[in-house]
Amino acid sequence: AAGVIQSPRHLIKEKRETATLKCYPIPRHDTVYWYQQGPGQDPQFLISFYEKMQSDKGSIPDRFSAQQFSDYHSELNMSSLELGDSALYFCASSLVGQANIQYFGAGTRLSVL
Amino acid sequence: GENVEQHPSTLSVQEGDSAVIKCTYSDSASNYFPWYKQELGKGPQLIIDIRSNVGEKKDQRIAVTLNKTAKHFSLHITETQPEDSAVYFCAASLNQAGTALIFGKGTTLSVSS
Repeated sequence: AAGVIQSPRHLIKEKRETATLKCYPIPRHDTVYWYQQGPGQDPQFLISFYEKMQSDKGSIPDRFSAQQFSDYHSELNMSSLELGDSALYFCASSLVGQANIQYFGAGTRLSVL
Repeated sequence: GENVEQHPSTLSVQEGDSAVIKCTYSDSASNYFPWYKQELGKGPQLIIDIRSNVGEKKDQRIAVTLNKTAKHFSLHITETQPEDSAVYFCAASLNQAGTALIFGKGTTLSVSS
């Protein structure tokens, strides 16, 4: 079965640069979520979207922004990158008729040097 | 906001033994409790979930129990196998699409043969 697709899988950036992470949800899924996972830590919720509208917001820095497009894919834009932004970034998707069952992608590993 | 505590942080068992991981949550409004398995370098994989209108759910060697009054829920794995070795996360949320999953800190399960 098709899963959540994230790109790129790995990304290396310098401090103060910008990065864009992309997420393609499972076909027919209409809700996307972004999580950040530091080394040895649990995933921390950043933000979610349903039908292109922000649904819930967590501990997302002001330097980050995200949006969902009409084809339901989502992009996480990160500016003025800091060393502390180095982490795994996961996207998850769900179908509104299936409550909050979230399926995760393989993640993007961001390294800020 | 919701806070999820998970114990133990590490668990080592012999192949064939049972493993139990316990979580507590703080927000009585939470009514959806999924469990995820995360292998090294991969995204969290949903293995089982339970809603607050159910006290127990079983899927082959995996079972989850929920005590709403005590705000406790637990994962039980029977007849453990080496391939069960991974990090397991519990989570709590509202059973509503678009809402954040709040994760516990994770349990590293090691199954030795």
